Amino acid sequence: GAVVSQHPSRVICKSGTSVKIECRSLDFQATTMFWYRQFPKKSLMLMATSNEGSKATYEQGVEKDKFLINHASLTLSTLTVTSAHPEDSSFYICSFGGGVSNQPQHFGDGTRLSIL
Amino acid sequence: KNEVEQSPQNLTAQEGEFITINCSYSVGISALHWLQQHPGGGIVSLFMLSSGKKKHGRLIATINIQEKHSSLHITASHPRDSAVYICAPHNYGQNFVFGPGTRLSVLP
Repeated sequence: GAVVSQHPSRVICKSGTSVKIECRSLDFQATTMFWYRQFPKKSLMLMATSNEGSKATYEQGVEKDKFLINHASLTLSTLTVTSAHPEDSSFYICSFGGGVSNQPQHFGDGTRLSIL
Repeated sequence: KNEVEQSPQNLTAQEGEFITINCSYSVGISALHWLQQHPGGGIVSLFMLSSGKKKHGRLIATINIQEKHSSLHITASHPRDSAVYICAPHNYGQNFVFGPGTRLSVLP
């Protein structure tokens, strides 16, 4: 089946740092990818939908200037957490599939972000 | 907005037990996913179903669209089944809504 590679798996950095997370589909051309955030023992929450070649669509309450999403190709989407603060510490996970096409979702392994 | 509930929230079972996890939702859907999240955070899509029943190995998923309810069953449970199980209903053209998850621990 399709494979999604997400990198890095773990980041620990100081407050004020910007962190970039990459999500690659290895054997599938994904016009749409999804970015989620999950706080400890909480459900996955959709942050934004990343569309190849166009601006991402953000969910209500998600700051687009803080969480920059770039989907420049059919195999790569990036999420950049700008000027990260401790409250941004969370588990970030990408996926593609599902949605309009109703195909199964394929998830990256996630990135655990810890801001000190 | 689709309100999704899962029960139980936490479940501890002995190895070999038959396990059932339930998911109910408030708005009619076109499909529902069952996801398995491992302790490290990685997520695997177990099933996508829109009617009836699907079986994969020791896992069985059922859905009743009219009653807005789905169940995930694990037969002959094993410690490696320990994970968080999440249901995610959705409609065509709309994003997924995730249930709160059921944390399963299977003891040897």
